[in-house]
Amino acid sequence: GEDVEQSLFLSVREGDSSVINCTYTDSSSTYLYWYKQEPGAGLQLLTYIFSNMDMKQDQRLTVLLNKKDKHLSLRIADTQTGDSAIYFCAENRVSSGSARQLTFGSGTQLTVLP
Amino acid sequence: KAGVTQTPRYLIKTRGQQVTLSCSPISGHRSVSWYQQTPGQGLQFLFEYFSETQRNKGNFPGRFSGRQFSNSRSEMNVSTLELGDSALYLCASSLGGTATGETQYFGPGTRLLVL
Repeated sequence: GEDVEQSLFLSVREGDSSVINCTYTDSSSTYLYWYKQEPGAGLQLLTYIFSNMDMKQDQRLTVLLNKKDKHLSLRIADTQTGDSAIYFCAENRVSSGSARQLTFGSGTQLTVLP
Repeated sequence: KAGVTQTPRYLIKTRGQQVTLSCSPISGHRSVSWYQQTPGQGLQFLFEYFSETQRNKGNFPGRFSGRQFSNSRSEMNVSTLELGDSALYLCASSLGGTATGETQYFGPGTRLLVL
């Protein structure tokens, strides 16, 4: 398909782990990204992974990449109420010639319950 | 280092008018990209500028245009506004742009409402 796909909603209890999944489209995307957006704000880069990696860990964040299935996931350990936000995955897809553009998923609204 | 700044933050226009939005990238960044965010279409790429040249363009009508100045600041213009142009317009800057995969840093956005 043409769209980067994410589930729309995820609810977790404070202290639990959250896993947000994403299916991207272009096997030649060289970088995959996770951004966070809080209400009324722009996008904050959380982490990214280069396409030749399987996993990247950054404090509470773990990114897993399955290139065969074009599947990307973001795990947030010990989720806190401050993690409540919309999470976007993105790929730097080839658009025309050698040009690339960031293509985003629809975003997953993460709600952390106390 | 100061982040990406966008002005104005909020704007109300009426149909048929035109609007100009401004973006100042992080110091030293030469690439600026623009995105439109709406509830229905999500985040969509508008265009990317690098060293005053448009490097890439998304699927938007010609009413959407942009430019970049020698100090890397960028403006985007929307002419003959339509109701559907109501959106959050985000700009992002990076050193080398999307082709290099470098991190893009986003500004807070300009929220445009077209009445």
